[in-house]
Amino acid sequence: AQKVTQAQTEISVVEKEDVTLDCVYETRDTTYYLFWYKQPPSGELVFLIRRNSFDEQNEISGRYSWNFQKSTSSFNFTITASQVVDSAVYFCALLSSNSGYALNFGKGTSLLVTP
Amino acid sequence: EAGVVQSPRYKIIEKKQPVAFWCNPISGHNTLYWYLQNLGQGPELLIRYENEEAVDDSQLPKDRFSAERLKGVDSTLKIQPAELGDSAVYLCASSSPRGNTGELFFGEGSRLTVL
Repeated sequence: AQKVTQAQTEISVVEKEDVTLDCVYETRDTTYYLFWYKQPPSGELVFLIRRNSFDEQNEISGRYSWNFQKSTSSFNFTITASQVVDSAVYFCALLSSNSGYALNFGKGTSLLVTP
Repeated sequence: EAGVVQSPRYKIIEKKQPVAFWCNPISGHNTLYWYLQNLGQGPELLIRYENEEAVDDSQLPKDRFSAERLKGVDSTLKIQPAELGDSAVYLCASSSPRGNTGELFFGEGSRLTVL
């Protein structure tokens, strides 16, 4: 079975704080892809990152960083020095052959960054 | 380059009425998706097209939902008759011909309210 769990429903931080969004996944496939998407209030989901199951290197892009750990089936997302514009709902997603190559999204974490 | 365009953005109808949503994908994207997003949930795939062929419609409730992509470009999603539980956001997405990479480009969605 394919499953993505985002245990944090809502997070509220003050600007410039660091924040980590958790993602835990389940799959029986050995080859799979993990994603993070951002959904701002406008409603349009925006692709942030894709990692494949064979690449556990952490990645940093500006204030964003991702920690992929197969041992704990986790793909966590950290925003450093958060800004008000980071306020959005963030979705973790899983794609594999068992899902028919359809993105399987978690329920999302709503992040509110206040000034 | 224009993004994925959806219309209408908002639609309010009474139950048992029909409704249709339209999507124009990014030019050159041969894969088109319709997703359903309920409040507080992640998107769920309804149907996926490769050009004009529906390659995955297993989650589409075929008793009342239908979709078409006649010329492999624009697509229409129809609900007839609508029920109260259909109130949700209907998202269209497209992806490039580079394969099942999971990098989808989403429209802003069509928010349906059924009274």
